[in-house]
Formats: sequence, structure tokens, C-alpha cells
Amino acid sequence: GAVVSQHPSRVICKSGTSVKIECRSLDFQATTMFWYRQFPKKSLMLMATSNEGSKATYEQGVEKDKFLINHASLTLSTLTVTSAHPEDSSFYICSAPWRAGGHYNEQFFGPGTRLTVL
Amino acid sequence: AQSVTQLGSHVSVSEGALVLLRCNYSSSVPPYLFWYVQYPNQGLQLLLKYTSAATLVKGINGFEAEFKKSETSFHLTKPSAHMSDAAEYFCAVTKQGAQKLVFGQGTRLTINP
Repeated sequence: GAVVSQHPSRVICKSGTSVKIECRSLDFQATTMFWYRQFPKKSLMLMATSNEGSKATYEQGVEKDKFLINHASLTLSTLTVTSAHPEDSSFYICSAPWRAGGHYNEQFFGPGTRLTVL
Repeated sequence: AQSVTQLGSHVSVSEGALVLLRCNYSSSVPPYLFWYVQYPNQGLQLLLKYTSAATLVKGINGFEAEFKKSETSFHLTKPSAHMSDAAEYFCAVTKQGAQKLVFGQGTRLTINP
């Protein structure tokens, strides 16, 4: 199956700093990737759709200037949390769809990044 | 619009007992349905999927689910629970040609020895 990696797996930063999280598709190309946020004991909330070579599409209520997304290549999307504050602390997960066969795209998820803002 | 409702945020069963996690969906078009499992501090792993083929779907780790259109349900079952099944389970829906997944609220499965 396809593999998606994320880096870093865990990051602790001071309030006001920016943090970049990388999402890579290791053995397939992904023109689209998705970024999710997950609060403790909660479901995944889709934040945005990352599109290779064009602007990301943000879900309603997600601040695009706060969460910058760059999809510069077919295997890499980055999420930058700018001027992070404690309320941005969360578990961030990315996914990439891959047409394994047939008529649907299976989503492959990264292992997640735990962000803690002090 | 599509949506998923998982009944029961927390399910607890004894080791060896039947596992039943409930999922109901809403969709105006034929849905594709998925069950994912998440272990602590990890991403999601696909358990099984329904993509308009057989209505009884078998997945990994002994899990299976049955698509029932009349009940708009896609419940997940496993005949005999194992301690290693303790995790968070998510039901998700999409449609043919789409890439976005809509997730349910999740169900935390606890296995009692």
C-alpha cells in the first residue's frame, strides 16, 4: 500500500513562533492532500485541501493566514502554523488519496504531528 | 451533503465477546463507506471499505461490516474481541469520484480482561 509520512512527529514551541509540518507521499504522487486537526478524544476536522501548484482550499472557519499551506511538489505538502498560540495545540494529521484500483481513491493517512504551544 | 453518525462515543466489551460499533450515514448519492482505526498518537489505518460491490465487507484483524441501504447503516462487528482491539474507531463516508472524507465522531472501544 501507499505510505504517507509526517515530520516532525512531535513539536513543542513557544507562543508567537511559527511551526512547519511536512507531509510526504513516499511511494506515489499526490496532486491533492488533506490536512486535519484532531482535538483530544474528538474526531478529525478537515482544515483544508492542499492542491499541487495552486492555492489551498480552506474549510469554513479555518483562518488561511493562520494556517499556511504550500503544496510545492507532487510528493510534499507543508502546513505552517503562524504565530502559534496555546489554543493551536492539537494533533495534526495529513492524508493523500491514491487510486489503488477501481473507481475510488483510498485515503492514506500520515502518522500525525502533536503540536504543543507553551 | 453527506454525514455520518456513530452511536455511542464509548463501547466497552469483555475479551472474547462480540464487538458491535454502530454507524449510520446520510447521503443523497450512493455512498462509499469506510471504517478506520486509530491507536493513541497515531494516524488512521483503514479497516475495511464498501464501494458498491458486496454488501458484506471483510476487513483486517477479523472485522467485518454490512452495508444496509434500507437502514442507512454500516455497522462494524467482530465475533471475538481481543485486547489489541482497544482503540478509537471512525466511520467515514464519501462518494464516487470524490476525495474528501466526512468522518463520524468516533467510538472508543475498551476491552475488559
